[in-house]
Amino acid sequence: GAVVSQHPSRVICKSGTSVKIECRSLDFQATTMFWYRQFPKKSLMLMATSNEGSKATYEQGVEKDKFLINHASLTLSTLTVTSAHPEDSSFYICSARDRGDQPQHFGDGTRLSIL
Amino acid sequence: QQQVKQSPQSLIVQKGGISIINCAYENTAFDYFPWYQQFPGKGPALLIAIRPDVSEKKEGRFTISFNKSAKQFSLHIMDSQPGDSATYFCAAQTASGGSYIPTFGRGTSLIVHP
Repeated sequence: GAVVSQHPSRVICKSGTSVKIECRSLDFQATTMFWYRQFPKKSLMLMATSNEGSKATYEQGVEKDKFLINHASLTLSTLTVTSAHPEDSSFYICSARDRGDQPQHFGDGTRLSIL
Repeated sequence: QQQVKQSPQSLIVQKGGISIINCAYENTAFDYFPWYQQFPGKGPALLIAIRPDVSEKKEGRFTISFNKSAKQFSLHIMDSQPGDSATYFCAAQTASGGSYIPTFGRGTSLIVHP
């Protein structure tokens, strides 16, 4: 149980393109979803937290107009990287949980490469 | 300010040996301590977790030891196998403010030699 599916697993696109990443909880209702960014050999950097039906809460230093997050249902959240540039290239990982006192379950990540 | 300090940064162990990864936290309000295992190119997967009302939790070859007074917890991997080679993250979270947002350690890269 507690499976989180993230799609696509890899994206390569040109600078200026907007890229959408989907995160789905397959067998539970995700009250809260998290979006992380991970640099090579580094820890997880929390970008934002989203609760279903509410606006996402962004961490300090994360541009909300650059990284658009939508959590329209209890099983789906999307991250859109708008007008992506090479410095946005990274490994993006989503996670989801049902209750607040429960652990997060992570997707397999999306490797984003901007040329 | 790093609220969860994890060490060592990297660890090399022979097959069959014991791998030990340590974490220390500062916020006494933390009340849930999960460990995650991450393979290259994959997302982290929950390995084992503990709450502060117990001092030890064991699941197969994996054991968490928790020392509330010292604000430390550690992961022990018994009979380490090459398949255990991965990056391990400790985390701590609290119900403070109702957020339950976890704080992650910086990770430990474990290599188990055959």
